[in-house]
Amino acid sequence: EIVLTQSPGTLSLSPGERATLSCRASQSVSSGYLAWYQQKPGQPPRLLIYGASSRATGIPDRFSGSGSGTDFTLTISRLEPEDFAMYYCQQSGSSFTFGPGTKVDIK
Amino acid sequence: QVQLVESGGGVVQPGTSLRLSCAASGFTFSNYAMHWVRQAPGKGLEWVAVISYDGSNEYYAYSVKGRFTISRDNSKNTLYLQMNSLRAEDTAVFYCARARSGYSIFDYWGQGIPVTVSS
Repeated sequence: EIVLTQSPGTLSLSPGERATLSCRASQSVSSGYLAWYQQKPGQPPRLLIYGASSRATGIPDRFSGSGSGTDFTLTISRLEPEDFAMYYCQQSGSSFTFGPGTKVDIK
Repeated sequence: QVQLVESGGGVVQPGTSLRLSCAASGFTFSNYAMHWVRQAPGKGLEWVAVISYDGSNEYYAYSVKGRFTISRDNSKNTLYLQMNSLRAEDTAVFYCARARSGYSIFDYWGQGIPVTVSS
């Protein structure tokens, strides 16, 4: 099973700042099978990024994904108030696993 | 627009069974693989099971294999999860989700349905 590790566990930032979230896999993941989701309390997850770097429908361009192999990054260029949430990476190259999440909260 | 609506959750005792349903609309249901994903209270996301677009293939997480069965009725645009021998650790919100392509990536999610296993 591919284990995903996300860091940091919590990221405390102010609106307008840049957020950089990391996702590391225990084995290489094909970029086509790495995705990022946003989840707010009481809501289902929302797909942000698929294929490591492609934005899903309706996702603002302040969200971007990058990386390959075992190291992937989600970047939010300028945090908007609605961006404070939990973020999960997920791989589907070998079964389906999620990382433990990074909480982006307001500093 | 794509809609997925789960139903069938509730509070049940350990060792009993429950069947969840997920009604799909707004897309051609029979063209897409479908997943169940769960989230225990205050915890992260855990993939549970996936079924191919035509129901011919099913895959399960180790934690539920042999106890849960995923199925679908394409004539009714409905996905199911039969859960047997339920345990306290199965307590979670269960989401159905559509696979964007093939089996990978969950592009649309239902609102989720809570399942509580408690004596």
